[in-house]
This record gives sequence, structure tokens and C-alpha cells, in this order.
Amino acid sequence: AQKITQTQPGMFVQEKEAVTLDCTYDTSDPSYGLFWYKQPSSGEMIFLIYQGSYDQQNATEGRYSLNFQKARKSANLVISASQLGDSAMYFCAMRGLNTGNQFYFGTGTSLTVIP
Amino acid sequence: DAGVIQSPRHEVTEMGQEVTLRCKPISGHNSLFWYRQTMMRGLELLIYFNNNVPIDDSGMPEDRFSAKMPNASFSTLKIQPSEPRDSAVYFCASMTGGTDTQYFGPGTRLTVL
Repeated sequence: AQKITQTQPGMFVQEKEAVTLDCTYDTSDPSYGLFWYKQPSSGEMIFLIYQGSYDQQNATEGRYSLNFQKARKSANLVISASQLGDSAMYFCAMRGLNTGNQFYFGTGTSLTVIP
Repeated sequence: DAGVIQSPRHEVTEMGQEVTLRCKPISGHNSLFWYRQTMMRGLELLIYFNNNVPIDDSGMPEDRFSAKMPNASFSTLKIQPSEPRDSAVYFCASMTGGTDTQYFGPGTRLTVL
């Protein structure tokens, strides 16, 4: 079975500070991909960052980085230097590379950046 | 490059009416997904296609829902008859095995009165 868990329904961060959004996963597939998406209040789902299970280094994309700890089955998103525009819902997702193309999404974390 | 295109962006209809949502995936993408998002149930996968063939429709709520993908550049999700509990945002997403990433359309906000 594949499962994504996001335990933080809501988070607050001061502008310009860093914030970590938690994500844990469970899968029996030895090869998998982990993803983070951002959903602002306008509603679109925006792809942020991808981490492959065999990648040696943590993925980074600008101010976004993925803190991948394979033994702990965690894939936390770190946003550095938070901006007001980072206020949004954030979804963690996983795809088992040997079990088809289906993505499994977490329930999301609502991030509010405080000026 | 054009992203995933969905139409209409907003749809308001009355209970019992037929609703058709449309999606054009990114050119070259061979997998297409339909999702439904509500506050109560979050993001739910309804159905997905590989190379125009439905692979998993276990998320389709009931027989009132149907989806087709007649060619690589077009898919429809139909609800007949519609009910108020179908009110949600419906997303279409596409991907190709090469990029391994799903890209979402802007969504269709459906309201059934």
C-alpha cells in the first residue's frame, strides 16, 4: 500500500524566516518519486520540486529544498526566506515507479506567512 | 509551451442536468488524470489514462460519472445526471514517463444547484 501523511494542518512563519513542512510516506515499491505542489488561494496546483528515491543528493529548486531521509521515510519541504506569496496550501505526493503512474497525495498543509 | 488546458473554468448547473468537462493535455504527454477536490474529501483521483486507455477508474464515484479519451489531445469527464454533492473543483493533469511529474490544469469549478 502507498500512503502519504502530512500531520501539520496549518503552519505560520514570519516573513524572511525559513519553514519546514513535514511529509512522511509508506510504500513497498523500492523505486519511487516524491513531489511537492503548491496551491495558492487562486486554486491552481503548481509543481515545486521532485526527489527520486535513488537520488544521492537532496533536491533543490531556488528557495525550495527537499530534506529527504530515506530510512525515516520522510520528505520534508524546506522553504527559505519566506515571502508573503508563499502563503498557500502545500501538498506532498508520491508515485511508485514500479506500480503504475498513479500519484498519492497527502491532505496538505496550509502555510501562512506573517509580515 | 501551453500547459494543460481545461474548459470551462466555471460551471453552474441545476440538479439533473448533464455536465461535460474538457481537458487538453500537454502535447507529448501520454498519461492523463482526472481529480476532484473538495474541502471534505481533499484531492481524489477519479480515473487515469495511459496512451488513451483507461487504467484505473476505481475512484469514479458511481455510474453517473464517465470519462473518455478519444485521442491523445483530448479527454472529457461527464456527469449525468448531476447532483449538488458533485459540486467541487475538477482538475485534469498530464504527465509523461520521461519527466515523471504531473502537471495540472487550472481546474473547473463546478456548482450544482
